[in-house]
Amino acid sequence: DIQMTQSPSTLSASVGDRVTITCRASHSINRWLTWYQQKVGKAPKLLIYKASTLESGVPSRFIGNGSGTEFTLTISGLQPDDFATYSCQQYNSYPWTFGQGTKVEVK
Amino acid sequence: QVQLQESGPGLVKPSQTLSVICTVSGGSISSGGYYWSWIRQHPGKGLEWIGYIYDSGATFYNPSLRSRVTISEDTSNNQFSLHLTSVTAADTAVYYCARHKRTGGYSSHWGQGTLVTVSS
Repeated sequence: DIQMTQSPSTLSASVGDRVTITCRASHSINRWLTWYQQKVGKAPKLLIYKASTLESGVPSRFIGNGSGTEFTLTISGLQPDDFATYSCQQYNSYPWTFGQGTKVEVK
Repeated sequence: QVQLQESGPGLVKPSQTLSVICTVSGGSISSGGYYWSWIRQHPGKGLEWIGYIYDSGATFYNPSLRSRVTISEDTSNNQFSLHLTSVTAADTAVYYCARHKRTGGYSSHWGQGTLVTVSS
């Protein structure tokens, strides 16, 4: 299985900050990576797929980048609605696997 | 707009079979182009892909759960189901159903999730 490791596990930030979350894969996954946002008690919400393609309706402040084994999700100008947990997932090979999540909390 | 809704037992005893149903509205599970998936999330943990059903009954499972998992469909009611046998406390989780595009292993359509607790 491909292991997905996110860092940091928790990130403290303020509204307006630029924040970056990193996701590392144990083997190359090309660009077959997606990012989800999840709030407590809710289902994951698709933000980005194929490493950098923004899902329809997702604000442009969410920026995905990377290829191979290292990926980033940047939120450029954190908004109050963005405090949540973010998870990456690879779909390069089976079984599809997820990172453990990064919680973005209020500083 | 496709919507998915899980329904489950809430509580299952150890060694029994966990069964969760996903009811789909706004689209047919018989239509091509999608995988109908199950994913779970242990309390406070990351997500785990369980498997999916597609093409009128074909299935594909996570090897870590393959020996205990069956995903089936009921096209007349536009539902698909997860059955997990011989459950233990480690199977306590929120179970989500989702629709994944065949062109990519990502989903913009998820159910709200149902918590299943394994306890005597």
